Amino acid sequence: EPEVTQTPSHQVTQMGQEVILRCVPISNHLYFYWYRQILGQKVEFLVSFYNNEISEKSEIFDDQFSVERPDGSNFTLKIRSTKLEDSAMYFCASSETLLKSYEQYFGPGTRLTVT
Amino acid sequence: DAKTTQPNSMESNEEEPVHLPCNHSTISGTDYIHWYRQLPSQGPEYVIHGLTSNVNNRMASLAIAEDRKSSTLILHRATLRDAAVYYCILRDDTGNQFYFGTGTSLTVIP
Repeated sequence: EPEVTQTPSHQVTQMGQEVILRCVPISNHLYFYWYRQILGQKVEFLVSFYNNEISEKSEIFDDQFSVERPDGSNFTLKIRSTKLEDSAMYFCASSETLLKSYEQYFGPGTRLTVT
Repeated sequence: DAKTTQPNSMESNEEEPVHLPCNHSTISGTDYIHWYRQLPSQGPEYVIHGLTSNVNNRMASLAIAEDRKSSTLILHRATLRDAAVYYCILRDDTGNQFYFGTGTSLTVIP
């Protein structure tokens, strides 16, 4: 069964450093998402991406964040200058369409620890 | 986003059926009801979704009230692997993200 994959599974970085989290969505999917979950809290939407553009973003997704689809398979989330409060699980998701009758498929997540 | 209300936690004995309730009294006529679950240290996983009629798949059944103001996720025989947080989510026309609440934490007792 096709699945979303994410690398690395755990990333430790120092405050102020840049990190890039990588995702490989399901191959025939066209819509891509990033969510995050701070330990013990809800899963929160960050951004959605379609046709090489951001289609929607939340208040959390400020200028420190960017997303890119550098090639036909990868989808990346970059945090330019990490803060302690960026420590969280980051989940990538993908879907075939935006239709609300369709599900999103989530990856296993990358645990980001900022020290 | 339309709101849902779920119990914070529930327990079930292994191999018994589990009924996880969700209230969504402000649901609109075109909102879809989605259920996801999150096993410990994993990403959310799709379980089932529906609009008006009851739905069955290999993982679970979804029973939707006639007025659509509530729904119930049914796991027919709970296993230890079903221990997870279960999220009831309404998908409307206001955006393309899923809004996750706090969900119901299901404990399965051996």
